Amino acid sequence: DQQVKQNSPSLSVQEGRISILNCDYTNSMFDYFLWYKKYPAEGPTFLISISSIKDKNEDGRFTVFLNKSAKHLSLHIVPSQPGDSAVYFCAASARRGNEKLTFGTGTRLTIIP
Amino acid sequence: GAVVSQHPSRVICKSGTSVKIECRSLDFQATTMFWYRQFPKQSLMLMATSNEGSKATYEQGVEKDKFLINHASLTLSTLTVTSAHPEDSSFYICSAPHLGQAYEQYFGPGTRLTVT
Repeated sequence: DQQVKQNSPSLSVQEGRISILNCDYTNSMFDYFLWYKKYPAEGPTFLISISSIKDKNEDGRFTVFLNKSAKHLSLHIVPSQPGDSAVYFCAASARRGNEKLTFGTGTRLTIIP
Repeated sequence: GAVVSQHPSRVICKSGTSVKIECRSLDFQATTMFWYRQFPKQSLMLMATSNEGSKATYEQGVEKDKFLINHASLTLSTLTVTSAHPEDSSFYICSAPHLGQAYEQYFGPGTRLTVT
């Protein structure tokens, strides 16, 4: 039972354009959401997070949008850069804090120069 | 930023032997650490929650007698894969929530285990 899903296993975007990565979840208990970037044979690197009391959080080129009624979140990267090429995972937890994460299936983003 | 290390980064062992993987929080203390595993081209799956001073909490389907977890101190958790089999070959990653960073979780670089 995959509680967090990323339906696009891969995405290619031209450099300079906007990259939009999507994530859906099914568990209504999830209250805190995160995006991680991961390179092969490395641990995930935290990018940005959002609490369910918000619908948007922005940090530099990264913006996360949350639609709680649709149980959907998205990560926008603008402008996309070649260094953004990696696998992106969304993750969810019941609360912010000392809490286990449930990860999505990942989306491989490729930025085309 | 906060740093979490893992040792070894990769290990090859023979079937039936045991392998210990260490996870350390280098510049902060963590009463809880999490152990995940990732199969090729798949998601990270939580295996267990390591608790300093008490027993680990295992996720459904994870054999606690096979994957021994010890949270020896506030900066060290170990995962021991006992009687390893080829199907245990995977990428094992730990994470630690950082109290000073609003419990944001920081991940180690991972350990590639290959059982022959």
